[in-house]
Amino acid sequence: EPEVTQTPSHQVTQMGQEVILRCVPISNHLYFYWYRQILGQKVEFLVSFYNNEISEKSEIFDDQFSVERPDGSNFTLKIRSTKLEDSAMYFCASKGQTFSYEQYFGPGTRLTVT
Amino acid sequence: AQSVTQPDIHITVSEGASLELRCNYSYGATPYLFWYVQSPGQGLQLLLKYFSGDTLVQGIKGFEAEFKRSQSSFNLRKPSVHWSDAAEYFCAVGIQGAQKLVFGQGTRLTINP
Repeated sequence: EPEVTQTPSHQVTQMGQEVILRCVPISNHLYFYWYRQILGQKVEFLVSFYNNEISEKSEIFDDQFSVERPDGSNFTLKIRSTKLEDSAMYFCASKGQTFSYEQYFGPGTRLTVT
Repeated sequence: AQSVTQPDIHITVSEGASLELRCNYSYGATPYLFWYVQSPGQGLQLLLKYFSGDTLVQGIKGFEAEFKRSQSSFNLRKPSVHWSDAAEYFCAVGIQGAQKLVFGQGTRLTINP
């Protein structure tokens, strides 16, 4: 069964450093998402991406964040200058059809900022 | 604004007992409703979904959920839980015209042997 994969599973970085979280969505999917879950809190939407551009973003997704689909398979989230409060589990998700709301999630990347 | 509430942060049940996890949503139109499960160290796995039609939906692993429009609820049930059901359960709402899912805060399920 096709699945969303994410690398790395755990990333530790120092405050102020740039990090790139990588995702490989399900191959024929067209819509891509990033969510995050701060420890003990709910899963929060960050951004959605379709047709090589951001289609929606939350207030969390400020100028420190960017997304990219550099090739036909990868989908990345970049945090330019990490802060302590960026420590969280980051989930990538993908969706196939326009009128489907069913998103398939990856296993997550745990980001720890020290 | 749309919101999802899961009133129970932590529930403990005995193996073999029945289970009901509560979910209430706030949204003006008919939402698209989901239950996801997150086992320790794992991602979010879709258990079941409701888009329209029959308000009682069946999912994987023996779970079911019932959409009650009058109560703005979408409670998850299982007649007999297994130790492997211990996990975090998230209710989520899909908003028409938007791309995002809005999640509840999750309910952690512990199973007593």
